[in-house]
Amino acid sequence: DAKTTQPPSMDCAEGRAANLPCNHSTISGNEYVYWYRQIHSQGPQYIIHGLKNNETNEMASLIITEDRKSSTLILPHATLRDTAVYYCIVRVEGGTSYGKLTFGQGTILTVHP
Amino acid sequence: NAGVMQNPRHLVRRRGQEARLRCSPMKGHSHVYWYRQLPEEGLKFMVYLQKENIIDESGMPKERFSAEFPKEGPSILRIQQVVRGDSAAYFCASSPGQGRNYGYTFGSGTRLTVV
Repeated sequence: DAKTTQPPSMDCAEGRAANLPCNHSTISGNEYVYWYRQIHSQGPQYIIHGLKNNETNEMASLIITEDRKSSTLILPHATLRDTAVYYCIVRVEGGTSYGKLTFGQGTILTVHP
Repeated sequence: NAGVMQNPRHLVRRRGQEARLRCSPMKGHSHVYWYRQLPEEGLKFMVYLQKENIIDESGMPKERFSAEFPKEGPSILRIQQVVRGDSAAYFCASSPGQGRNYGYTFGSGTRLTVV
């Protein structure tokens, strides 16, 4: 699986958009970008994933650059409950692949009042 | 529809004892994954199981650790002769099938403390 690079920490004001970047310059054509988060002491929670098109769901939006070497997770209106460690993961989906997720250090997002 | 259930939430063991961690997957999920998170570190894959089969145990320590997912009942992660370095949070995830990452649901974890 391709390696990802994320800033170790970020701050965001409550109610503002939180933009979390991820660099995956060695991503290959069949690898997807996934985002999970881990709120303190809880299990990881799936947020969103995409291949090359931008994606949006009820939790967040995912913007993937045209060359797919980087992406940004956007939480449009951050709340205090969004304070967590956010993990960007790239991996192949399907075929002989299975659920072995490789978690890096992630980005600690702190949302403050 | 209950999520992935792990018990106990907290487990304290003395060095040399055995620890048994249980994971009941979501209803309809037949694939189970165990991850370990050491203090101040990220999650590390340990083992992937389907009913009665170990598919990939490449992340499991070679000694003292074992896992099973019987036909009936929860998946069990067993650690024999625990040492202080085994103190960590152990998370279980389940999915309905193979290769569909967004289908993974994690439990709340078991925090093992070895004293």
